[in-house]
Order: sequence, then structure tokens, then C-alpha cells
Amino acid sequence: EDQVTQSPEALRLQEGESSSLNCSYTVSGLRGLFWYRQDPGKGPEFLFTLYSAGEEKEKERLKATLTKKESFLHITAPKPEDSATYLCAVQAREGTYKYIFGTGTRLKVLA
Amino acid sequence: NAGVTQTPKFRILKIGQSMTLQCAQDMNHNYMYWYRQDPGMGLKLIYYSVGAGITDKGEVPNGYNVSRSTTEDFPLRLELAAPSQTSVYFCASTWTGGNTIYFGEGSWLTVV
Repeated sequence: EDQVTQSPEALRLQEGESSSLNCSYTVSGLRGLFWYRQDPGKGPEFLFTLYSAGEEKEKERLKATLTKKESFLHITAPKPEDSATYLCAVQAREGTYKYIFGTGTRLKVLA
Repeated sequence: NAGVTQTPKFRILKIGQSMTLQCAQDMNHNYMYWYRQDPGMGLKLIYYSVGAGITDKGEVPNGYNVSRSTTEDFPLRLELAAPSQTSVYFCASTWTGGNTIYFGEGSWLTVV
């Protein structure tokens, strides 16, 4: 069964304290792995798509990486405005119209 | 472009009532989805559509119905509302070969 697991469930960081969020997955043929940011009361907002092991994408303080079994979202020198829930999702080759989401990591960055 | 638009934003229903959550997109996307999000449970797929006239069940379809008469609109119907349907509902869309899906702002539904 296709599955996505994110860890930790919640993370509190001091401003400037770098860390990583994990997304491990089992899927029958990965078509794409996606990272989203979700602010309270809002819909998920797209951050990155990764397609193959070894691929990396960067945006401001965020960097996403992908291996054959997991993805990491690295947050470098975070600021309070980076506080949000970060969601990971995968799209399998079979049934390519279906996206499977993890439960998310709630990140709180303290000033 | 407005993107994906959902209405209403908030709604309180009594047990046994019915209602329709509206979703419209103006990006000419052929794939559309309805998800529900419960605290700590992630996004669960209710129904999806690959084009006008074509719909199929996702992981949690019981108690819901959908239709897709146009490319733009994908309404979600709740029949005989139950407290278990209290949740946040998100509509999303993408195009064939699209590398991500775009979400609406969500509809908060409480069944009492």
C-alpha cells in the first residue's frame, strides 16, 4: 500500500536554529514527491516537486532533497514567518491522478 | 486568474441536513479533487474527476456525492450530514502532466 510518513509531528526552533523535516514514503513507482506549506486557516501552498533520487530544490531558506526512500526539507536559519505546517505528498506512476499526503510537521519558530 | 474558489467558507449543519460545497477553477484544469482534512490525520481523498462527466471514488467517499458537468465546476454534495463529517474540505485541481496540484482556501463544516 502506498504510504507517506512525516516526522517529527511538531518541531519548535529558535530563530536561526537550522533543522530538517523528514518524509519517508513507500510507493509503487514514484512519479513525483511534493512539499507544501500550510498556514492556519489556509489551503496548502506549493513549494517544491522532486522527481528522482539525488534531486535538490531550493527556495530562500528551504531546501528539499530526495532519496529512494525519503525526502528531507532542510530549513536554514529559520525566521518566525517560517512557522507553518509542512506537508509532503507523493504521486505514484500507477493512477497518476492520485496524490497521497502525509500528516504534516507543525513548525514553530520562536523569535 | 482566481485559481480554485470554494464556497461557502464556513457552514454549520444539523444532523440529517444536506448541502453542497461549491468548487470552481478558472485554469482549464481537467483533474479536480475533493479532500477532507481532520486534525492530525492529513488530507484524505474523497472523490476526484479526470474530466467533465468522469468521476471516481477516493479513500473516504461514503456519505458524499460529486458531479462534473463542466470543466470548471466540481461540487461536493453531503447527504444526511453526520457529526463524523465535521472537517475542513479542500478542493484542488491540476492539468494532465501537471507537476503539482493547486488548492482552494478550504470550507469549514461543522455538523451538530
